[in-house]
Amino acid sequence: EAQVTQNPRYLITVTGKKLTVTCSQNMNHEYMSWYRQDPGLGLRQIYYSMNVEVTDKGDVPEGYKVSRKEKRNFPLILESPSPNQTSLYFCASSLLYGELFFGEGSRLTVL
Amino acid sequence: QKEVEQNSGPLSVPEGAIASLNCTYSDRGSQSFFWYRQYSGKSPELIMFIYSNGDKEDGRFTAQLNKASQYVSLLIRDSQPSDSATYLCAVNIPNTGNQFYFGTGTSLTVIP
Repeated sequence: EAQVTQNPRYLITVTGKKLTVTCSQNMNHEYMSWYRQDPGLGLRQIYYSMNVEVTDKGDVPEGYKVSRKEKRNFPLILESPSPNQTSLYFCASSLLYGELFFGEGSRLTVL
Repeated sequence: QKEVEQNSGPLSVPEGAIASLNCTYSDRGSQSFFWYRQYSGKSPELIMFIYSNGDKEDGRFTAQLNKASQYVSLLIRDSQPSDSATYLCAVNIPNTGNQFYFGTGTSLTVIP
């Protein structure tokens, strides 16, 4: 089954404790992206990647890191999480210029 | 800023009626246009995509694109309570590196 898989789906952590949200797709898509979704603000892009070893900042990259060492994986790293990073996070992938496929989302709470 | 604007709603329609959702975009380099449906707490799922001016129909859904007016819409015919969700408009702009830009969504409620 074609899918984008994110883990963990739910996470509660404390300020400053590094965490990684994994994202993996099995559709051989070149493009992968991370979004955060907050009430009233819609989907905002954090980082995106056009292909392996190619990443670039989206609209809200501060406090986040990514890497793209393999085509299928695009982890999101929060080196020192803060409460303002409490949000619902989505990973997505697509063929270039095609539709975006979304993962199921990861709900993160930073205390 | 590549703006995509949607009326946030809420939009309420009776069951069986036509729901009309609208979206405008600012960048004339926008090439592909997508409508996603999102239930509360769930991930967005694709409803329709459209690339060319005019109408595109898929079952009860019709997407309409007018590039001259920078306007894209989604019509839902014979609306059902299960259509109650937030609808996200998205545009893809190739010359920004395959970037997708989303509106904030329109909340639709179909009243039985």
